[in-house]
Amino acid sequence: GGIITQTPKFLIGQEGQKLTLKCQQNFNHDTMYWYRQDSGKGLRLIYYSITENDLQKGDLSEGYDASREKKSSFSLTVTSAQKNEMAVFLCASSIRGGALEQYFGPGTRLTVL
Amino acid sequence: TQTVSQSDAHVTVFEGDSVELRCNYSYGGSIYLSWYIQHHGHGLQFLLKYYSGNPVVQGVNGFEAEFSKSDSSFHLRKASVHWSDSAVYFCAVPNSNNRIFFGDGTQLVVKP
Repeated sequence: GGIITQTPKFLIGQEGQKLTLKCQQNFNHDTMYWYRQDSGKGLRLIYYSITENDLQKGDLSEGYDASREKKSSFSLTVTSAQKNEMAVFLCASSIRGGALEQYFGPGTRLTVL
Repeated sequence: TQTVSQSDAHVTVFEGDSVELRCNYSYGGSIYLSWYIQHHGHGLQFLLKYYSGNPVVQGVNGFEAEFSKSDSSFHLRKASVHWSDSAVYFCAVPNSNNRIFFGDGTQLVVKP
C-alpha cells in the first residue's frame, strides 16, 4: 500500500497573499491531481500532471499555478488568495491512464482573512 | 464529454437497512464508472469501478454497484448499513484517459 500526505493540513493567509500547498505520494504513481472542494460541494479539477515532466490545466486553473518537482511530489500555488476561494484542496494520484481509480490525500483547508 | 448526475443530495436510513444511492451517466462511447466515499474531514476513498464484463461489481465493506446500459445507471447498494457508513458518496466517470468528472455527491446518514 501507499500513502498521500498533504502539507499543511490547515493554511491561513491574507487576501492577496501567495500561498503554496504541497503533496507527496509513495505509490510510485505517474499521474497526480489537484482538486478544490467547496463546502458541501463536489470536486473541481484545478491542475493535473500525467507524468513527471507534464502539467495540464483543469477546469479551475485561473488564479493557480502548479509544479511537479519530481515523480512523488506535486505542489499547488494560489497566486493571490481571495476570500471566495476558501475551500479544501485535495491532492490525488493514479497510475497513468487510470484516472478512474484515484487515491486521495486528507486535504488542506484554506482560510483567507 | 461524459457526465454523471446524482439525483439524491441526502439519504437517511436506519442501521441494518438496505440502501441504494443513485447515479446516472450521460452516454459518450465506452462507459467506465466508479464510486468514492468521503467521511467528514477526510479525503475521498475509492470504493469500486466498472470497466467491462459482469455488470455487478463488488467493492469494499459490502458495497456493490450495478451497471445498466438501458437505464444509463450505476447505482450503489449495500444490503445492511452500519453507522460508520455515514459519509458522502461520489459517482465518477472519466472524460479522458487522464481525468474524471465527479457528481455532486449524496450525503448518507445512518441513524442508530
